[in-house]
Amino acid sequence: EVQLVESGGGLVQPGSSLKLSCVASGFTFSNYGMNWIRQAPKKGLEWIALIYYDSSNKYYADSVKGRFTISRDNSKNTLYLEMNSLRSEDTAMYYCVRVSDYWGQGVMVTVSS
Amino acid sequence: DIQMTQSPSSLSASLGDRVTITCRASQDIGNYLTWFQQKPGKSPRRMIYGATNLAAGVPSRFSGSRSGSDYSLTISSLESEDVADYHCLQSIQYPFTFGSGTKLEIK
Repeated sequence: EVQLVESGGGLVQPGSSLKLSCVASGFTFSNYGMNWIRQAPKKGLEWIALIYYDSSNKYYADSVKGRFTISRDNSKNTLYLEMNSLRSEDTAMYYCVRVSDYWGQGVMVTVSS
Repeated sequence: DIQMTQSPSSLSASLGDRVTITCRASQDIGNYLTWFQQKPGKSPRRMIYGATNLAAGVPSRFSGSRSGSDYSLTISSLESEDVADYHCLQSIQYPFTFGSGTKLEIK
């Protein structure tokens, strides 16, 4: 059974940093591209980053480019999202997504003073 | 960036009704269109991929179609369990972009 389990969320102040993790199981993690997608409270979905299966390519939404970094460790079956210079508008549920077919349960990030 | 214009934003229909939700792409996206269902408090679930392909385990009353730059998700006979938000996603060009979502309710 495919499972994606995110962690690392929480309440942080504007300007601070946070690193999300997503541990994958039930499939060969190193064979798949992975995404981070977020959803602000009562809002729609926003794609924010993708990383190729081998980390050879990474793509970002303009809203996070230069502040967020997606990475992965295939030896640990883990996807990461390092978030710097956080803003109130980054407040959202963050989902780890395999291609488009499997989603984690999400982790909440709240940026507030 | 490719804009995905989704309509309607909300929809109220009766059980057994045929329901259609549409996304219009601002540029050619071929068949790189995915539909997701999201129930309250849950993660999204992929329903349709490649514009017309039914994802595994999805009931056959769901279908996807394309007419030019318009992509549609149709529920042939609405059931109570279909109450959810529905989202479309284009994945032909970075940044990937979602439609604004459709809230489907029972009348």
